[in-house]
Amino acid sequence: AQKITQTQPGMFVQEKEAVTLDCTYDTSDPSYGLFWYKQPSSGEMIFLIYQGSYDQQNATEGRYSLNFQKARKSANLVISASQLGDSAMYFCAMRAVSNQFYFGTGTSLTVIP
Amino acid sequence: DAGITQSPRHKVTETGTPVTLRCHQTENHRYMYWYRQDPGHGLRLIHYSYGVKDTDKGEVSDGYSVSRSKTEDFLLTLESATSSQTSVYFCAISEKVGLAAKNTGELFFGEGSRLTVL
Repeated sequence: AQKITQTQPGMFVQEKEAVTLDCTYDTSDPSYGLFWYKQPSSGEMIFLIYQGSYDQQNATEGRYSLNFQKARKSANLVISASQLGDSAMYFCAMRAVSNQFYFGTGTSLTVIP
Repeated sequence: DAGITQSPRHKVTETGTPVTLRCHQTENHRYMYWYRQDPGHGLRLIHYSYGVKDTDKGEVSDGYSVSRSKTEDFLLTLESATSSQTSVYFCAISEKVGLAAKNTGELFFGEGSRLTVL
């Protein structure tokens, strides 16, 4: 069975500090993709970062990095130098071999000035 | 931005009435998906399509049907709406990529359709 688990319903971070959002996954697929999406209060889904299961290096995109630990089946999102505009809901997702995408329940991040 | 249009964007209906949500894409992507988003549940897959007339069920497919007669259109139908189907519905598209592809093959989302069933 494919499953994504996000255990932090809500997180707070001080502006300019770094924050880690946790994500663990469960799959028996030989290859898969891991994604993070941001959903601001306006409701749109914004793609942030991608990690392929065969990628040796952790993915980075600007202030976002994905801490991929394959043996632990974790794919945590690290946001450095938090900004007020980072306040949003964040979803971890996994693409299976079938090309179905599975999502976690999300983490609500609030950046405090 | 990926060309994905959902209609209607907002709808209020009564229990027992049929409802159809439409998703239209201009990207010629093979895969199309319908998700529902509810507080505490994240996004849950209702149905998806991997080609014209090729569809499969997701984890919350009961009470929903879909059709894809053209590459660009994916319809979600609630045959007899219930209050438990009050939700925000997202359409998404993607292309399958190989292991060595530089394209990440991420999901592109529509803007969402808010459905209220009274």
